[in-house]
Amino acid sequence: QKEVEQDPGPLSVPEGAIVSLNCTYSNSAFQYFMWYRQYSRKGPELLMYTYSSGNKEDGRFTAQVDKSSKYISLFIRDSQPSDSATYLCAMTEDNYGQNFVFGPGTRLSVLP
Amino acid sequence: NAGVTQTPKFRVLKTGQSMTLLCAQDMNHEYMYWYRQDPGMGLRLIHYSVGEGTTAKGEVPDGYNVSRLKKQNFLLGLESAAPSQTSVYFCASSYSIIRDIWDPRISYNSPLHFGNGTRLTVT
Repeated sequence: QKEVEQDPGPLSVPEGAIVSLNCTYSNSAFQYFMWYRQYSRKGPELLMYTYSSGNKEDGRFTAQVDKSSKYISLFIRDSQPSDSATYLCAMTEDNYGQNFVFGPGTRLSVLP
Repeated sequence: NAGVTQTPKFRVLKTGQSMTLLCAQDMNHEYMYWYRQDPGMGLRLIHYSVGEGTTAKGEVPDGYNVSRLKKQNFLLGLESAAPSQTSVYFCASSYSIIRDIWDPRISYNSPLHFGNGTRLTVT
């Protein structure tokens, strides 16, 4: 079993749809959770960063962490064609940084 | 402010050849990392550095060497390239910690800032 699991997609949705992207993990010591967006032929860019459980909202994006279920989600409201990218979840323990564990990514296509 | 810059962007090597991938960051970050990205595998850590003059092994270090002679640069070397090293290589950097803006006594792991990758093919 991989340490972080993520549905690879591809996921295709119409413009304006609500998108839900999810990751599950096995290590209960993970404390910091991140979502990165990666456009084709580009490096990942940080989208959302959360600590411990709960929700965090930033514009059209909401990150949700459920540590009891070892499950994190990223919701995109009013999805746009410019949201078409691969979304990577990442997480790390409270050890100041060296051991980030990434999911394999979910490819999202938002169709106009 | 360029962030993290990687050179070259593309490279094709023959088996057994050597090369060095260059990474430079202008954000004064203490930590730097080299990852490889392969389909279905996610990003895997090759080597990392917590400061100038220091390096450490990550998850998949075999076949690679690194050096961090200056704080802003992190070099990844392939001494004898193999087809299994065909991949996209990403350099990243981060602060060691970041402090809560409302309560500086609270600190967090710093997220990673990535370059745009080097696409390497070994034939």
